[in-house]
Amino acid sequence: DVKVTQSSRYLVKRTGEKVFLECVQDMDHENMFWYRQDPGLGLRLIYFSYDVKMKEKGDIPEGYSVSREKKERFSLILESASTNQTSMYLCASSLSSAETQYFGPGTRLLVL
Amino acid sequence: GENVEQHPSTLSVQEGDSAVIKCTYSDSASNYFPWYKQELGKRPQLIIDIRSNVGEKKDQRIAVTLNKTAKHFSLHITETQPEDSAVYFCAASLSSSGSARQLTFGSGTQLTVLP
Repeated sequence: DVKVTQSSRYLVKRTGEKVFLECVQDMDHENMFWYRQDPGLGLRLIYFSYDVKMKEKGDIPEGYSVSREKKERFSLILESASTNQTSMYLCASSLSSAETQYFGPGTRLLVL
Repeated sequence: GENVEQHPSTLSVQEGDSAVIKCTYSDSASNYFPWYKQELGKRPQLIIDIRSNVGEKKDQRIAVTLNKTAKHFSLHITETQPEDSAVYFCAASLSSSGSARQLTFGSGTQLTVLP
């Protein structure tokens, strides 16, 4: 059974703070993804990674960076949080060349 | 890049009736179309998918149809039950980098099944 976990379910930060969101998967998946989910906008891809230390920009990478130092862990970094980054953040993973993405429970981030 | 439009944004049906959700995509090179279901407070989960070499796929009460010429695909749920109430997302996959397949999601449909 695939398990994708995220470090926090709820997070409150101040404008300008550096924010780290962590995602861990235990199924040896090569691919990992970060999305944000906003009402009426669906899930939008921020960044993804297909291997350790490899990263690719998604559709909305501005204001975010990522880190993948180990295969099982994929971190999303908000260098200087802003109020328009208040959102639900979802991590996902998939096997190499497989299509099915398995999602984590999400982190609801509020930036004040 | 790919653009996926999903309609309707909300859908209410009586228990036992059918529900249909439609999506259109922009890039004819897209070749994989999954549907995810997200129950309230839960994570999205894949419920069915279809590839561009197939026109229809069924799994019990759920079916997906694909019209490549018109660039649209639809989710059909028959004999709806209260547990079908959720947000449904369609997606299209255009490209892959390395071995990762990028998905572009639609905006979601809130389905409510009324008892």
